[in-house]
This record gives sequence, C-alpha cells and structure tokens, in this order.
Amino acid sequence: GENVEQHPSTLSVQEGDSAVIKCTYSDSASNYFPWYKQELGKRPQLIIDIRSNVGEKKDQRIAVTLNKTAKHFSLHITETQPEDSAVYFCAASRGYGNKLVFGAGTILRVKS
Amino acid sequence: GAVVSQHPSWVICKSGTSVKIECRSLDFQATTMFWYRQFPKQSLMLMATSNEGSKATYEQGVEKDKFLINHASLTLSTLTVTSAHPEDSSFYICSAEEGYNEQFFGPGTRLTVL
Repeated sequence: GENVEQHPSTLSVQEGDSAVIKCTYSDSASNYFPWYKQELGKRPQLIIDIRSNVGEKKDQRIAVTLNKTAKHFSLHITETQPEDSAVYFCAASRGYGNKLVFGAGTILRVKS
Repeated sequence: GAVVSQHPSWVICKSGTSVKIECRSLDFQATTMFWYRQFPKQSLMLMATSNEGSKATYEQGVEKDKFLINHASLTLSTLTVTSAHPEDSSFYICSAEEGYNEQFFGPGTRLTVL
C-alpha cells in the first residue's frame, strides 16, 4: 500500500523567512496530493492541493511542487507569519473514493 | 470551502457504554466519508471508509464490531463506539469527500472514557 514520509518533523523559522516541507510517496498510482494545516485542538484545514497532471501550483504565499518521477512533493510558504505556526500534514491518494494516506506531520514554528 | 459538522464536540462516558458520533456534510452531498482517530501529537489514522448505502471498509486492525459505521444518507455518517473502554479515549475526526477527492474535515469529537 501507499506510504508517505514527511520531513522535517519540526521546523523553526524567523518571521518573514521561507519554510519548505517535503514529502515522498511510494504508490505510483497516487494522483492527488493535498496539504492540510492543523492548529492545536482544531480540525485539519485544506490549504492547497495538486494533481498529478500539474507540476506546480501557487496560491498567494503558499506553493506546492510535484515531481512524479521522483515521487516527491513539497510545500513552500514564503514571507512566513506567526499565524502560520501549526502542524502541517501532506497526504497522497489514488483519487476519487480512495483514502488519503497522511504523512507524520511537521510542526512549524514561526518566531517573531 | 465545503462545511462538515460533527456532533458531539466532546463526550465523557463510563466504561462499557456506547457512544454515537455524527458527521454531516452541510452544503454538499458526500458519497464517501472517512473516519479517523488522532492521538496527541500524532498524525491522523484512518479507521474506515464509509460509503453511502453500503458497508464500510475498515482498515487493518480496526474492529468493525466495536466501531460501527452507518452511512444512511448522502449527508450523514455515524460512528458508534460500542462497549467503550479507557483505551478508546481519543480525538475522532470525520471527513467528507467533495468534488474529486477533496476531503473536508469535521471539527472532531474528543471522547473520554472513564
């Protein structure tokens, strides 16, 4: 089955700097890769996603890149702000009706 | 984005009792819903996939007779923890699939079994 690895487990950055979180997946049939942000005690929120027919997607300060050949995808947050501090999860799926397999999560701390 | 509600948000029960958690998609229909369990500082662990009108698909190691799932309509799935014990205490979160595999999560239910 699918296995998703996520690195780093914790990341501390200075406010205004960029943050990058990387994930690798094992199932070549996976074609949907979302990223979720979860604040303490709250639900995971979908912040951006990418499908296998696209190599990069950007939404304001957040971008995701996908390398299908290498089976890895990354989340890029630019101009980080204290409110970006949270746990971020990557996930992979084979598509509609299929389960998401989550990475272990990255605790992002943005220091002001 | 799509809205998913979950009820109750927290529940405390005695060991041996059963607890029902509801997950509703409020502004869309969801053929597929998912139930997760999350321990403190850990990732989401999928328990089962719930399909409207059919039996749920359980992940390996999840007891289907203990965690009963019913998906009777396109907007409602329920998870019943039967004969709950302290080790069942956890944060239970549902998600509903909208569009092409986009999953939106409920706010979660914190279960504490005494």
